[in-house]
Amino acid sequence: DAKTTQPPSMDCAEGRAANLPCNHSTISGNEYVYWYRQIHSQGPQYIIHGLKNNETNEMASLIITEDRKSSTLILPHATLRDTAVYYCIVKRNYGQNFVFGPGTRLSVLP
Amino acid sequence: KAGVTQTPRYLIKTRGQQVTLSCSPISGHRSVSWYQQTPGQGLQFLFEYFSETQRNKGNFPGRFSGRQFSNSRSEMNVSTLELGDSALYLCASRREEGRGHEQYFGPGTRLTVT
Repeated sequence: DAKTTQPPSMDCAEGRAANLPCNHSTISGNEYVYWYRQIHSQGPQYIIHGLKNNETNEMASLIITEDRKSSTLILPHATLRDTAVYYCIVKRNYGQNFVFGPGTRLSVLP
Repeated sequence: KAGVTQTPRYLIKTRGQQVTLSCSPISGHRSVSWYQQTPGQGLQFLFEYFSETQRNKGNFPGRFSGRQFSNSRSEMNVSTLELGDSALYLCASRREEGRGHEQYFGPGTRLTVT
């Protein structure tokens, strides 16, 4: 079973920051938080992952709360091409497969 | 660096037939996982192969099988196809060294069973 809870859908205005929340209150100390997105009918695309420190790459930033029970994926300047389903997944690096929940359907509006 | 490739991209089969799908991982990636995606069930894990051995298996019937070759390329096979097997089949590979445990997905094979 997915160990995360995400809102089913969100809207964001083009050019504004998109903040996608994820709750993972039962996360274990050795589990990472991963974010993927899937644009319609394509394979999921890796975005970012982290353990406890905030992470940033060319696509997004990941903010993990100090107690690690929730996180937020931030797309700093959303474009229409960021419209997709965003999945938050928690897992260990070894020995576990990725379990995808229903994710959040982000719609970026012009 | 080339991404994960899957062949064929589209396939139409009839009930009772069998099908083989192929996946070539990113160079240097030793783990290959397979997923089935349907509108009703979402993305579901089928199995994972690492160094030619099945390491994890999801909750699918024995009609679904796979294998991995010494060059890390992988195939999955579905025998005695049913209408409900119509889905997007996704393959993903990962490196598993240091922090490199993120999976990279291929474009998928769209299987239609009639």
